[in-house]
Formats: sequence, C-alpha cells, structure tokens
Amino acid sequence: ILNVEQSPQSLHVQEGDSTNFTCSFPSSNFYALHWYRWETAKSPEALFVMTLNGDEKKKGRISATLNTKEGYSYLYIKGSQPEDSATYLCAFRSGAGSYQLTFGKGTKLSVIP
Amino acid sequence: SQTIHQWPATLVQPVGSPLSLECTVEGTSNPNLYWYRQAAGRGLQLLFYSVGIGQISSEVPQNLSASRPQDRQFILSSKKLLLSDSGFYLCAWSAGGKLFFGSGTQLSVL
Repeated sequence: ILNVEQSPQSLHVQEGDSTNFTCSFPSSNFYALHWYRWETAKSPEALFVMTLNGDEKKKGRISATLNTKEGYSYLYIKGSQPEDSATYLCAFRSGAGSYQLTFGKGTKLSVIP
Repeated sequence: SQTIHQWPATLVQPVGSPLSLECTVEGTSNPNLYWYRQAAGRGLQLLFYSVGIGQISSEVPQNLSASRPQDRQFILSSKKLLLSDSGFYLCAWSAGGKLFFGSGTQLSVL
C-alpha cells in the first residue's frame, strides 16, 4: 500500500498572506506527482503534473516544487485570495504502467477576507 | 472540447438496495475511464478503471462492480448496498497525463 501524506490537514490564512503545504510520497519507483485543486461543489481540477526531480511548476500565484529523492513536494500560494479557498490534493503515480494515482487526504485552505 | 457527465448528484439509498451510477464522456474516443470514491476521513481511492469497452480492472475488493457497455459510458453498480458504501463517487477520464473529473455523486446509505 502506497502512503501519500499531506500536511497540514487544514489551515486558515488572511487574504494577502503567502502560504505553503507539503505532500510526502514514496521515494522509490517514482513516475509522477500530481496536484489538484478541489473547490466546494466543483470537480477536482488539475494544477500540475510533475515528473522530474527538481522540477518547478508555476500557474499564476501558485507554484510547486518536487524532490523525488527524498519524496516530497511543496505547493506555494503567493498573496492568497479568497478564491484560493479549496482543498488541495496531491497524488502519486508509480511506474509507467496502468494509470493509477494514489491520493493524499488533502490540505483544506481557507482564505479569510 | 471534452466534457464528462455524471449523475445523479446526490442519492440516498437504504441498505440492501441496488445502485447504478452513470458517467458519460463527450468529445473524445476510447478514453481511459475511472471510478474513484472518497469515504469520510480518507483520500480519493481508485475503485475501477477501464481502458476500453468491456475491459474493467478492479483495484480493491468490494461490494461494487463496474461496466463499460459503450466506448464513452462507464457504470458503477451494486446489487445490495452496504453502509460502508457511503461516500462521494467521482468518475474521471485521463488525457495528457491528467485526470478530468465529473461533478461527483454523494451517496448516503442508510
């Protein structure tokens, strides 16, 4: 059973603050690491798919880094806005075979106006 | 553009009743299709995936089954629901290394 851990489980930040959270995953047999944003009453939406150690991805105010050797990824949000409030999921894919993702439980972010 | 439809949005069923959740994808052919479930306090768990008509792979032993009668149709079923089947069910398809999810079904088994 693959273990994907996300921390913190939830956090509240003030509008304008920057924040980050962590996803840890097995460091062996790595293929890809995904980040999704899941807003209430909507479908999860893909943010990033990361495959290379040291990779950095950016989408607007959101960015992510990847360390496959030690098995972690950070998601950063710069200048949080109320619309950033959502649950952020990471998912680990091992091997290039069948397309199977192991998801973490997510980090629930609430941005207070 | 591709769209994915999933219904119903919510469902309340008694224990022992049957279940049928349907998912259809438009705008693509021969997609990989998936059923995920999020139970209370847990992460999204892959239940089934399908790479083609009639081809179903199950990830966990359970009370549920899946079928793919048409290229873009994926159905999740149960003959007799258990309390433990309660959860949020998401259908998804994949392209370019990403998953694209439907809107989900909140199933409550009472």
